[in-house]
Amino acid sequence: DAMVIQNPRYQVTQFGKPVTLSCSQTLNHNVMYWYQQKSSQAPKLLFHYYDKDFNNEADTPDNFQSRRPNTSFCFLDIRSPGLGDAAMYLCATSRVVATWDNTQYFGPGTRLTVL
Amino acid sequence: DQQVKQNSPSLSVQEGRISILNCDYTNSMFDYFLWYKKYPAEGPTFLISISSIKDKNEDGRFTVFLNKSAKHLSLHIVPSQPGDSAVYFCAASNTGNQFYFGTGTSLTVIP
Repeated sequence: DAMVIQNPRYQVTQFGKPVTLSCSQTLNHNVMYWYQQKSSQAPKLLFHYYDKDFNNEADTPDNFQSRRPNTSFCFLDIRSPGLGDAAMYLCATSRVVATWDNTQYFGPGTRLTVL
Repeated sequence: DQQVKQNSPSLSVQEGRISILNCDYTNSMFDYFLWYKKYPAEGPTFLISISSIKDKNEDGRFTVFLNKSAKHLSLHIVPSQPGDSAVYFCAASNTGNQFYFGTGTSLTVIP
């Protein structure tokens, strides 16, 4: 049973052409996250939503935006993709933000290719 | 600035033996640590966690050890099975919602 779903699994876009990646969850979790993972690197947090509250990481480029229209869905918008934005994008959710119970559940990721 | 480091990109172990995966961190404020397991074409899945008030947590074949003074944690898998072959990420948090991940260790369990 899929709990965190990401569509599409593979996305190809052209340099500078806006692209949207989607994530949905069936866990009814409060928190949703977007990570960027480049080859052989650690997943890097871009931003997260705690309910409707948006939290942007300080070093996330302005080129990356996010929307969370409801509890179940969260979108990652890349306004003008560059070659350096080619990566795996992982969506994750967690029930709460308490340190003692903050297990994150990940989707399978979307592999973005920029031509 | 990598706050969580996994210095071994890969590890090979014979089936039935112990696998030890290591992770070091630099931020003494981290108080919650997790290990994730990732198969190809799948997202990471939660494996085991430990809070800084403990030095050991065990779940079946998996045990995580935390040495706060050394800023080091390790994951022990015993006995190792071929199905354990995957990439293992450690992650650390100090705020409850910001996790820092290591670069992963690819474990191969040889039948």
